[in-house]
Amino acid sequence: DQQVKQNSPSLSVQEGRISILNCDYTNSMFDYFLWYKKYPAEGPTFLISISSIKDKNEDGRFTVFLNKSAKHLSLHIVPSQPGDSAVYFCAASALAPWFAGNNRKLIWGLGTSLAVNP
Amino acid sequence: EAQVTQNPRYLITVTGKKLTVTCSQNMNHEYMSWYRQDPGLGLRQIYYSMNVEVTDKGDVPEGYKVSRKEKRNFPLILESPSPNQTSLYFCASSLPGGSSYNEQFFGPGTRLTVL
Repeated sequence: DQQVKQNSPSLSVQEGRISILNCDYTNSMFDYFLWYKKYPAEGPTFLISISSIKDKNEDGRFTVFLNKSAKHLSLHIVPSQPGDSAVYFCAASALAPWFAGNNRKLIWGLGTSLAVNP
Repeated sequence: EAQVTQNPRYLITVTGKKLTVTCSQNMNHEYMSWYRQDPGLGLRQIYYSMNVEVTDKGDVPEGYKVSRKEKRNFPLILESPSPNQTSLYFCASSLPGGSSYNEQFFGPGTRLTVL
């Protein structure tokens, strides 16, 4: 049972337009959410995060929105650039107790492959 | 430069031949972790370590061992590799506590093929 779901395996966007990547979660105890970006042949790199006490966090062209009632978050990239083409992972975190001793665990989505076309 | 290094980057081996994938970080991070990435299954945690001499199982620990004798190093050991361990492996590290914990730094990955 996947607790963090990225329902779109891929997304294609024109350069300069907005990219919107979505992520849904099922566990209401998640209190911190992160987005990572991964290029081929490299490890994931941290992109942006948001605490559950906020509903928006912005960093340059990247904004993450959190809708706790819907258990949904989204990453907006504006404007999209060809260098943004990568796989984007959504991850969620919560503290114990239900992680039974592993109280600092990240739960990962399967990723969305973004292609930004020139 | 702050980084996590893994060696080797690529490895082809045969069933049963013991191997070690090394991981080293230069950021003085307490927390280190190993993941494997497989198509359709995403990133799954194998083992993690909260600090020196403190390790624990992740979601898929079977067939793997780890050790944490020094803060900077966290090797992944496959005592008797099998074909189902063919995967892309990532080592990661972070500071513990609060939000900083979750911002993990990843190595470049090790692609392992077990024949």
